[in-house]
Amino acid sequence: AQSVTQPDIHITVSEGASLELRCNYSYGATPYLFWYVQSPGQGLQLLLKYFSGDTLVQGIKGFEAEFKRSQSSFNLRKPSVHWSDAAEYFCADRGANNLFFGTGTRLTVIP
Amino acid sequence: EAGVVQSPRYKIIEKKQPVAFWCNPISGHNTLYWYLQNLGQGPELLIRYENEEAVDDSQLPKDRFSAERLKGVDSTLKIQPAELGDSAVYLCASSLHTGAGELFFGEGSRLTVL
Repeated sequence: AQSVTQPDIHITVSEGASLELRCNYSYGATPYLFWYVQSPGQGLQLLLKYFSGDTLVQGIKGFEAEFKRSQSSFNLRKPSVHWSDAAEYFCADRGANNLFFGTGTRLTVIP
Repeated sequence: EAGVVQSPRYKIIEKKQPVAFWCNPISGHNTLYWYLQNLGQGPELLIRYENEEAVDDSQLPKDRFSAERLKGVDSTLKIQPAELGDSAVYLCASSLHTGAGELFFGEGSRLTVL
């Protein structure tokens, strides 16, 4: 069965520090992978996506993610976190027709 | 361009009462999705429409949940009767068509059942 795993439920980083959020997928030879961000009380906003090609993809708000087929991973990174990045982050894999989400990682940013 | 619009944003009802949520997708998007998001969890698909046809409703609890997308544009999700465990956020999303790539999400409707 298709699944997306986000091993970290909650991560706390200091403002200005680097960030890496982990994501592992388990479906398909050609995954379509996404990272969404959800601020409290808001819907999901797309940060970036990977379909094919260059395995390092750039997104909005200074985020990037790297697709590693050998590790079945699609980790999200940011070199310097801002206080406004505090939110819930969801990794998702698009199966044949639907989008399957991980359970999310809550990011707390401390001054 | 307007995004996906959902209403109401918040709804509080007593158990056994009915409730309905409305969604207007992005203009021109043929595919519409309803997702359920429980607290601390990722969204889970309830139903997917291609135009006016429900093509995947396998996760919709049909004893109390129903949905429609008349005319293939906006959609309504109904719960009757609501139970305590239905307290959650109901997210609507749309895409150009199935397999089109990213989904665009509305802000969600938060339901509290007392």
